[in-house]
Amino acid sequence: SQELEQSPQSLIVQEGKNLTINCTSSKTLYGLYWYKQKYGEGLIFLMMLQKGGEEKSHEKITAKLDEKKQQSSLHITASQPSHAGIYLCGADRERNQGGKLIFGQGTELSVKP
Amino acid sequence: NAGVMQNPRHLVRRRGQEARLRCSPMKGHSHVYWYRQLPEEGLKFMVYLQKENIIDESGMPKERFSAEFPKEGPSILRIQQVVRGDSAAYFCASSPRAGKDAEAFFGQGTRLTVV
Repeated sequence: SQELEQSPQSLIVQEGKNLTINCTSSKTLYGLYWYKQKYGEGLIFLMMLQKGGEEKSHEKITAKLDEKKQQSSLHITASQPSHAGIYLCGADRERNQGGKLIFGQGTELSVKP
Repeated sequence: NAGVMQNPRHLVRRRGQEARLRCSPMKGHSHVYWYRQLPEEGLKFMVYLQKENIIDESGMPKERFSAEFPKEGPSILRIQQVVRGDSAAYFCASSPRAGKDAEAFFGQGTRLTVV
């Protein structure tokens, strides 16, 4: 099984609807990163969470970290076609190696106009 | 401030040739990480470098693959005698420091196709 499990694997929502993507770790997290990737392109940094209970927002995207549950959620409010893409969570397993991350398999989001 | 720059964006090599992938980190970033993305495997860490030093190469195949980050110039990921299985997207990320509060930014990737 994956060290970092994302659910769902894919998601189709109607424009304007809210949605949540989850990322669960089987091991201790020292940091949790969320990225968005469009097909054939690079990863766009969304947010980084470090502390249990931490919550960050950027425009209509909110991410939370539940350190005890070793889980993070990404919530998009009033989804738009521009939100479509693959969302990846990455976990920092080693306290002193910043960008060395384990990634989940990704959640593919489609937003229907 | 330019982001992480990778070139070329696309690279086609015949089996047995060498592939050189370049990564220029963001200004002020001295930590570079290389990842490989295969369709069925997701994004996997390969190697972590700081200027002139390899810090962690635990994810890099022992043979044919090497990486460097010289004092001057970009980081280079080199694949010798490429095989079809090397076809993948290779991404580079950079961060300004090590530690758990270091944000890591990715480049657009190099898509290697071995024919």
